[in-house]
Amino acid sequence: QVQLVQSGAEVKKPGASVKVSCKASGYTFTNYAMHWVRQAPGHSLEWMGWINAGNGNTKYSQKFQGRVTITRDTSASTAYMELSSLRSEDTAVYYCARGGDGSGYYHLDYWGQGTLVTVSS
Amino acid sequence: DIVMTQSPDSLAVSLGERATINCKSSQSVLYSSDNKNYLAWYQQKPGQPPKLLIYWASTRESGVPDRFSGSGSGADFTLTISSLQAEDVAVYYCQQYYSTPFTFGPGTKVDI
Repeated sequence: QVQLVQSGAEVKKPGASVKVSCKASGYTFTNYAMHWVRQAPGHSLEWMGWINAGNGNTKYSQKFQGRVTITRDTSASTAYMELSSLRSEDTAVYYCARGGDGSGYYHLDYWGQGTLVTVSS
Repeated sequence: DIVMTQSPDSLAVSLGERATINCKSSQSVLYSSDNKNYLAWYQQKPGQPPKLLIYWASTRESGVPDRFSGSGSGADFTLTISSLQAEDVAVYYCQQYYSTPFTFGPGTKVDI
């Protein structure tokens, strides 16, 4: 069965960076895209970007351009999302979610359990 | 960016009754080359990640009860729960994946 298991909660100071991992199992990792979506407390969902796990191509939301980097390690079937220059508004639960084929223009059919990132001085 | 709106913000429905949630996109999400609407619906319960219910606007995800159905095309969509069950209490989100950035609606909270 498809599973996406994310790394644990993080507490960071403003200006720092955070890197969240997402380990996939139960399917061929390189055949799909992996998206990252965040949800601030009490808010809706916000798409951050995706990576084609096969060729490593990425696409980011303009809102996060320059601050977010999505990578993958195919040998470990793991995707990563790194967000830099953290501010308090980045406090949120961060989710990885599997997309369809590598094109990325697909619904998100499996989600990780979420990783709470708290930014506080 | 495509803006997604949902109505109502919240609704309370009696057990066994119908719940209807509307979603509008600021531009059409119907892709002419494949005639598919790039619109999905998700259910989120407290403390859980979203769960995919419907994709391509009207295709039910495997394992989703058939009381959930999606309809609409272009820029107007509806999620219907035909007979509300206690376990359907959740927040429901629509999402377009027609163009980046993918965007979600603000959510509709469904209660008993």
